[in-house]
Amino acid sequence: GQSLEQPSEVTAVEGAIVQINCTYQTSGFYGLSWYQQHDGGAPTFLSYNALDGLEETGRFSSFLSRSDSYGYLLLQELQMKDSASYFCAVVTDSWGKFQFGAGTQVVVTP
Amino acid sequence: DTGVSQDPRHKITKRGQNVTFRCDPISEHNRLYWYRQTLGQGPEFLTYFQNEAQLEKSRLLSDRFSAERPKGSFSTLEIQRTEQGDSAMYLCASSLDRKYSGNTIYFGEGSWLTVV
Repeated sequence: GQSLEQPSEVTAVEGAIVQINCTYQTSGFYGLSWYQQHDGGAPTFLSYNALDGLEETGRFSSFLSRSDSYGYLLLQELQMKDSASYFCAVVTDSWGKFQFGAGTQVVVTP
Repeated sequence: DTGVSQDPRHKITKRGQNVTFRCDPISEHNRLYWYRQTLGQGPEFLTYFQNEAQLEKSRLLSDRFSAERPKGSFSTLEIQRTEQGDSAMYLCASSLDRKYSGNTIYFGEGSWLTVV
């Protein structure tokens, strides 16, 4: 079967660094994406890794190791507005079909 | 760029009734996706289109669910004989065709369905 595993919840204080891990087992793999979703809102794109290594976008970085079927999202200098759910998603075919994990709720405290 | 638009945003229906949701993708996007999301879970794939062609329908989806994308523009998702288990948020997303390269899909705000 296909699965994406990520922690259900992470709590951290403002200014801290949080790492959300994602391990996947899918029938196909073309890339790993991360999406953010605030309560009641739509998921929004954060990052995409097709190749191994680290991608940095501002305070957020994403890493992929295809040999380990593993990736992570790094959130630095946490802010209250970063409190949200974060989903890893694997592109499983060449047509761009995404399969999502169950999500990690990040709670930022003062 | 007006983004992905979904209608209605909220729908309450009685069990056994049919409901239809509409999605208008970003204008130049030729791929369109439907996902379902329940509380505390990630989006679950339902189906997707390349232009007007339906590429795949999830095996988890019963025959009560049908989706169309006539003329490769807007799409509709119909649920027949609704059941309480159909209560969820139905998300539509769209993207450009970029085979074998990075893909970003853009979600609409979702259509909340409550079956009573």
